[in-house]
Amino acid sequence: QVQLVQSGAEVKKPGASVKVSCKASGYTFTDYYIHWVRQAPGQGLEWMGRITPNNGGTNYAQNFQGRVTMTRDTSISTAYMELRRLTSDDTAVYYCARDNYADYWFDPWGQGTLVTVSS
Amino acid sequence: QSALTQPASVSGSPGQSITISCTGTSSDVGGYKYVSWYQQHPGKAPKLMIYDVSNRPSGVSNRFSGSKSGNTASLTISGLQAEDEADYYCSSYTSISTYVFGTGTKVTVL
Repeated sequence: QVQLVQSGAEVKKPGASVKVSCKASGYTFTDYYIHWVRQAPGQGLEWMGRITPNNGGTNYAQNFQGRVTMTRDTSISTAYMELRRLTSDDTAVYYCARDNYADYWFDPWGQGTLVTVSS
Repeated sequence: QSALTQPASVSGSPGQSITISCTGTSSDVGGYKYVSWYQQHPGKAPKLMIYDVSNRPSGVSNRFSGSKSGNTASLTISGLQAEDEADYYCSSYTSISTYVFGTGTKVTVL
């Protein structure tokens, strides 16, 4: 079955960087976008951007331009999201989600990775 | 890009129907048929319930339906059940090739 499995929880200090992974299985990795979405505690969903696995192309939300980098390793069907210059406002659960190149919805989602930023 | 506007909460009794609205602009909801809806139970990842305004993925109950008029999309849950109690989010593709989510609606089954 189609599955996205994310890396484990992280605790980081302000100013540091975090890199979250998302391993895909059950489908051809290069046939679907991978999106990243975050959710701060008790808050709503926020779209961060997406990567096109077949060519590495990216599209970032304006709020994260210059601070986020999305990459992929097609040999192990894994996408990565790195966020730099962390502040306490970046404390959130980070999700990856799949999207067919011809579609405009997210399904399925990874289980989420909690990133806590604290001094 | 501002979040799409949803009511903070909606409630209903078992068996009733409820509707959640999702209001955007002509640059997102009003400009495309690419509105989707997600259900999220506490501590869980979101789950796709509706795509392309009104289409249901296989496995999603036909009690869930979607529609759109102008800049406002809607999700209707008919025959409300206890298991429908969750947070619901809409999402839309935008004119600058990004995505925007709604503010979220907490559905309570009385």
